[in-house]
Amino acid sequence: AQSVTQLGSHVSVSEGALVLLRCNYSSSVPPYLFWYVQYPNQGLQLLLKYTSAATLVKGINGFEAEFKKSETSFHLTKPSAHMSDAAEYFCAVSFNAGGTSYGKLTFGQGTILTVHP
Amino acid sequence: SAVISQKPSRDICQRGTSLTIQCQVDSQVTMMFWYRQQPGQSLTLIATANQGSEATYESGFVIDKFPISRPNLTFSTLTVSNMSPEDSSIYLCSGSGTVITEAFFGQGTRLTVV
Repeated sequence: AQSVTQLGSHVSVSEGALVLLRCNYSSSVPPYLFWYVQYPNQGLQLLLKYTSAATLVKGINGFEAEFKKSETSFHLTKPSAHMSDAAEYFCAVSFNAGGTSYGKLTFGQGTILTVHP
Repeated sequence: SAVISQKPSRDICQRGTSLTIQCQVDSQVTMMFWYRQQPGQSLTLIATANQGSEATYESGFVIDKFPISRPNLTFSTLTVSNMSPEDSSIYLCSGSGTVITEAFFGQGTRLTVV
């Protein structure tokens, strides 16, 4: 079975400060990992994904994440927060089981990011 | 990536009634899924919509309550049957392709049952 734990349901930062959203996973097979963002009253937008290539993954809007197998982590970072980054962020895990599980995601509980002026 | 159109975007329904949500993808996808996002919570997978056959439901979800159809590779529906206030949630459909790729999501249907 696979699971995802996001540490911190709410994170608050000042504009221009570092953003760090934590995600730890549990998976019995090599995982694929994703970060999605959800703006109010909208669907989910993919920020970035890890699919067993480079461990440091760069995504949209200046976000990046590093896959650390030894720590079973996939934390999301952005060097400098912007007001427009305020949203809810979800970490998700999937795995390749003969091609039948692509897109079948297990989500973390989500982290609401607040950015203060 | 593909674009998923989902409708209705929101609805307010009376308890005991049913609502059918439609999901249209602008290109063929291998897999389609339906998720539920209860208020203040994360997304939970309801089922995998299989083309031309019965959907595969996750634990805790049953076909009588959430019948799903997928007549072709670009379209699927989810019906929420005999609704109660506990069914008030956001329902999202997603699709993914034939190679290792991300799942992309519709905008969701915000359902309120009164």
